[in-house]
Amino acid sequence: AQTVTQSQPEMSVQEAETVTLSCTYDTSENNYYLFWYKQPPSRQMILVIRQEAYKQQNATENRFSVNFQKAAKSFSLKISDSQLGDTAMYFCAFMKHNNNDMRFGAGTRLTVKP
Amino acid sequence: EAQVTQNPRYLITVTGKKLTVTCSQNMNHEYMSWYRQDPGLGLRQIYYSMNVEVTDKGDVPEGYKVSRKEKRNFPLILESPSPNQTSLYFCASTEGWAPNSPLHFGNGTRLTVT
Repeated sequence: AQTVTQSQPEMSVQEAETVTLSCTYDTSENNYYLFWYKQPPSRQMILVIRQEAYKQQNATENRFSVNFQKAAKSFSLKISDSQLGDTAMYFCAFMKHNNNDMRFGAGTRLTVKP
Repeated sequence: EAQVTQNPRYLITVTGKKLTVTCSQNMNHEYMSWYRQDPGLGLRQIYYSMNVEVTDKGDVPEGYKVSRKEKRNFPLILESPSPNQTSLYFCASTEGWAPNSPLHFGNGTRLTVT
């Protein structure tokens, strides 16, 4: 079974600074997908960014980018120019190529301080 | 608007009183699933459904039932709720077997069982 580990239960960052959230996973699959979801206080689950394992290029979405290290099974999220609205719980998630089953990490609670 | 709709948003009940949490999606998605979110554990899958009349257990199915009589609806049933089922519940859907297709989530149901 796939497991996803987020080793940082809580983090904080000053507004406009950069922060990196860590995620590691364990799988024997070669082809899979990785995601970061954001959960603000409203409880919505919002997709932030996704990465296909077969792509070497790291995904980016505006201020959000990932550092995908396939051999190390690492998938960290970098948030640049942090904004107060980035305050949320962030979940890392894994999905196998031929399966819609998504596995989540325990989450990292990020606080952006003014 | 494409969405997953869960009801109710909040629910307080007593041990043993049967309840149903409804979930409906308007995106013609084949795959639907239920998760529960608990502090320090992230989201764990309860049940999922690949299509109408096809359901299967996730990681934590004990104490729950589901049904998929129509493509759009996927209710979660607690026949005899217990306090350890106090949690935040999410319904999610996605296109079946679509590579790289992320889950679309409902807004969550906060259940308290006393």
